[in-house]
Amino acid sequence: TAGITQAPTSQILAAGRSMTLRCTQDMRHNAMYWYRQDLGLGLRLIHYSNTAGTTGKGEVPDGYSVSRANTDDFPLTLASAVPSQTSVYFCASSEYGTGGTDTQYFGPGTRLTVL
Amino acid sequence: GQNIDQPTEMTATEGAIVQINCTYQTSGFNGLFWYQQHAGEAPTFLSYNVLDGLEEKGRFSSFLSRSKGYSYLLLKELQMKDSASYLCAVRDGDYKLSFGAGTTVTVRA
Repeated sequence: TAGITQAPTSQILAAGRSMTLRCTQDMRHNAMYWYRQDLGLGLRLIHYSNTAGTTGKGEVPDGYSVSRANTDDFPLTLASAVPSQTSVYFCASSEYGTGGTDTQYFGPGTRLTVL
Repeated sequence: GQNIDQPTEMTATEGAIVQINCTYQTSGFNGLFWYQQHAGEAPTFLSYNVLDGLEEKGRFSSFLSRSKGYSYLLLKELQMKDSASYLCAVRDGDYKLSFGAGTTVTVRA
């Protein structure tokens, strides 16, 4: 199985342009997450979704939006990109609500550069 | 907010043992995770502790003391492929993960 896939792998984007980062999982996990990883800061949660149809804000949500129309997909949209959004973006998923350890599993990441 | 501290870098020799410490102060506690992340790749799950004590998994072990807000990851019989960043992550009272900045381990021959 593929697990979690993300697209694109990398992107250079002009400031002010919009972009959607795609994330798809085939593990039928309930919860999905978006993180950004910056040098020296570690992974920071942007938005999350505990189940299809619901979303929530993480630690750094400003400038980003998400939707969760179905179980498998969790796109992240930058409406008007700014240089401070240059980062590596990781999507993750977990079983959530099943009583297990709820370990999060990560996709391969999208490296985004905003100029 | 959450506060998770771990050393920035560690260097060790092939075949040796390295211990990576993690201290945390979070709003609530629902488990501690360790992830391994090779350069340019995704984090991969290594271990999970929710009760005090030591969890052993092959060459890797993880320890937790909830009263001290402290964990460590022990890597034994180091191999060159263990050169990576190791991330400590705590699941808080809202069931969200907060990550430390990561410890880069370099294994030298």
